Amino acid sequence: EVQLVQSGAEVKKPGESLRISCKASGYSFTTYWIAWVRQMPGKGLEWVGIVYPGDSETKYSPSFQGQVTISADRSITAAYLQWRSLRASDTAIYYCARQEYRGGTRGFDYWGQGALVTVSS
Amino acid sequence: DIQMTQSPSTLSASVGDRVTITCRASQSISDWLAWYQQKPGKAPKLLIYKASTLESGVPSRFSGSGSGTEFTLTISSLQPDDFADYYCHQYTSSVYTFGQGTKLEIK
Repeated sequence: EVQLVQSGAEVKKPGESLRISCKASGYSFTTYWIAWVRQMPGKGLEWVGIVYPGDSETKYSPSFQGQVTISADRSITAAYLQWRSLRASDTAIYYCARQEYRGGTRGFDYWGQGALVTVSS
Repeated sequence: DIQMTQSPSTLSASVGDRVTITCRASQSISDWLAWYQQKPGKAPKLLIYKASTLESGVPSRFSGSGSGTEFTLTISSLQPDDFADYYCHQYTSSVYTFGQGTKLEIK
């Protein structure tokens, strides 16, 4: 069974650092991209970026470039979304999702359960 | 970046109605478009990919059409379980984008 299991909710202060994770199982980790998607409170979905665990190639939305770092560790089949200095505006639910590497025709076919990040002083 | 304009933002309908949601791309995306359903407190769920291919396990009352810049998601006969938020998603370029979403609510 394909599963993407995300780390738990986080409460942080502005300026703090954070890394959240997405643990994949049930499929060959290096045959899929892992994407991150943000959903701010009461708002729509925003694509943050994507990583290919096979060679760690990453792509970012211009809106998030330089603000976050996406990475993956294929030895433990996990992907990460990281901030060096959080802002209150980073408060949101963050989802990971997978997309087939070759062709990628099906879009995001499996999603993690989401991780709520709250940044507040 | 490719912008996705989804309409309407809110749609009020009744059980049994046929409803259509539209997504327009700012430039051609061929058929690299997916539709997702999201219910409160849940992750999005893939409904349609490649503009018109129904994901396995999704009821046949859902259908997608379009290519280039104009796309539609149609629900042929609304069921109580269908009241949710819907998003289109283009995945043709190096920068993916989502539509703003449509809230399908009970009239």
